[in-house]
Amino acid sequence: EPEVTQTPSHQVTQMGQEVILRCVPISNHLYFYWYRQILGQKVEFLVSFYNNEISEKSEIFDDQFSVERPDGSNFTLKIRSTKLEDSAMYFCASLGTGGREQYFGPGTRLTVT
Amino acid sequence: QQPVQSPQAVILREGEDAVINCSSSKALYSVHWYRQKHGEAPVFLMILLKGGEQKGHEKISASFNEKKQQSSLYLTASQLSYSGTYFCGTAKAAGNKLTFGGGTRVLVKP
Repeated sequence: EPEVTQTPSHQVTQMGQEVILRCVPISNHLYFYWYRQILGQKVEFLVSFYNNEISEKSEIFDDQFSVERPDGSNFTLKIRSTKLEDSAMYFCASLGTGGREQYFGPGTRLTVT
Repeated sequence: QQPVQSPQAVILREGEDAVINCSSSKALYSVHWYRQKHGEAPVFLMILLKGGEQKGHEKISASFNEKKQQSSLYLTASQLSYSGTYFCGTAKAAGNKLTFGGGTRVLVKP
């Protein structure tokens, strides 16, 4: 069964550094999402991406964040100048045209020290 | 505005039943149910579309009451593997982001 993959599984970085989280969505999917989950809390929406542009973003997704689809397969989330409060699990999800289920990747645990 | 889930937690004995509710103050296109085990990604259980349908997966089923904008997840004859945190995610239109509720922690004991 096709699945969403994410790398790395765990990233440790120092405050102020930039990180790039990578996702490979399911190959024929067209809608892509980033969510995050702070430990012990609910899953929060960050941004959605369709047709090579951001379709919606939350108030969390400020200038510190950016997304890119650099090629036909990868979907990346860049966090510039990380803060302690950026520590969380970051999940990528994708959805196919006509599909309804958002398939979640296994997540990247980001730890900012 | 996020959907409201209740209860926040439930403890069951193996074989017992439970109901988890998810309510929204806004009109919904769909309600998605996920189960998350500690340290893992949410796993999709089922999706309910407006129209009041009911779906099931093994002994877990769900309904969506469009008039009330409320979905309920039914855990029937619970198994140890049902333990985890259940989240409902709601969407206002096809392809839209999911807005998740606060989660319901379920613990099934032998």
